[in-house]
Amino acid sequence: RKEVEQDPGPFNVPEGATVAFNCTYSNSASQSFFWYRQDCRKEPKLLMSVYSSGNEDGRFTAQLNRASQYISLLIRDSKLSDSATYLCVRTDSWGKLQFGAGTQVVVTP
Amino acid sequence: EAQVTQNPRYLITVTGKKLTVTCSQNMNHEYMSWYRQDPGLGLRQIYYSMNVEVTDKGDVPEGYKVSRKEKRNFPLILESPSPNQTSLYFCATRLSGSPTDTQYFGPGTRLTVL
Repeated sequence: RKEVEQDPGPFNVPEGATVAFNCTYSNSASQSFFWYRQDCRKEPKLLMSVYSSGNEDGRFTAQLNRASQYISLLIRDSKLSDSATYLCVRTDSWGKLQFGAGTQVVVTP
Repeated sequence: EAQVTQNPRYLITVTGKKLTVTCSQNMNHEYMSWYRQDPGLGLRQIYYSMNVEVTDKGDVPEGYKVSRKEKRNFPLILESPSPNQTSLYFCATRLSGSPTDTQYFGPGTRLTVL
């Protein structure tokens, strides 16, 4: 079983709509969590960290559920520029990052 | 401008021909690492380095070598490339080994081994 699992999608979203997707992890000793964004095989870029209490950055909201071992990302008022692959990342206690395979989001006009 | 550079960006080579992919950063970061990305598998760490002269294996180190003689450079060496090493490679850096430090990726190297 993969350490970090994501629905590959694609999630087809009309412009202006809300989309949400989850990522599950198998290791309960996971320390930190992040969402990265990757555009069409370019380098991944940090979108946001995920905190236990949940956190928001503009139109993006991230949540962590340690009991059920998943994190989520919600995008409100989707823009065409939000089309990308979103990578879920967990770290272990030694600082090693483990990436999910990504969830593809396609925002349509 | 803070950046991570990789060269070459694209490479097509043949089985067994030694190659080196360079990675350089100008952010004075201690931690550097190499990943490969394959469809459906996500990014997998090949090797990492906590500081100069300190390197360690990641999840998929077989067939690769690295060196860290200077803080800014972390080349990836394929002594005898094979077709299963065809992949998209990313170099990454962060200030230290702390997972809370932001990790920055290079632009990627697309390698094809025939």
